[in-house]
Amino acid sequence: SQQGEEDPQALSIQEGENATMNCSYKTSINNLQWYRQNSGRGLVHLILIRSNEREKHSGRLRVTLDTSKKSSSLLITASRAADTASYFCATDARYNQGGKLIFGQGTELSVKP
Amino acid sequence: EAGVAQSPRYKIIEKRQSVAFWCNPISGHATLYWYQQILGQGPKLLIQFQNNGVVDDSQLPKDRFSAERLKGVDSTLKIQPAKLEDSAVYLCASVPKGSGSEKLFFGSGTQLSVL
Repeated sequence: SQQGEEDPQALSIQEGENATMNCSYKTSINNLQWYRQNSGRGLVHLILIRSNEREKHSGRLRVTLDTSKKSSSLLITASRAADTASYFCATDARYNQGGKLIFGQGTELSVKP
Repeated sequence: EAGVAQSPRYKIIEKRQSVAFWCNPISGHATLYWYQQILGQGPKLLIQFQNNGVVDDSQLPKDRFSAERLKGVDSTLKIQPAKLEDSAVYLCASVPKGSGSEKLFFGSGTQLSVL
């Protein structure tokens, strides 16, 4: 079953604007990760935030995590046309001993030049 | 560093036929995953290997899907017989030993069309 629900399903913005995507999940987690998928390609890891962290930055990416609300957001600042892709959150559930990621449905981001 | 290799890139078959996908993970990566991604959805885990042992295959439709990872390196995923609803991208991913599920490295996938 899918652990994460992402919002919005699709987002269209102009180059230079910020893009915010949200992810909600159901069970307690060890960490939450964000991945990007360009059309016809595999997923690429962007950033990981652990359950005891509230915010993390990597370049133009900012991730927040609210474990009380079981939600996370990914902010891409100063977006570029090359950021056009699908973005997925993935959770590593706390009950899981083997180490597997459950992915959300994804947000399709379109950045127009 | 070479990435995760998958082949074939595309495959078109008719329903009830058989098909096999191959994955070569990054050298030294002990954990290997097969995911199924239906168009417009997120990847769904089919099976997870740790070296050559199965860790989780709870979502693998075992009546038609099988997977193996002989010698703990390459892996093959087979569907026999295929159904229309098996049309999807099959993604292989791997992680280094000791990394749990932190930062999966994905291949480009095999796009399967069942007609």
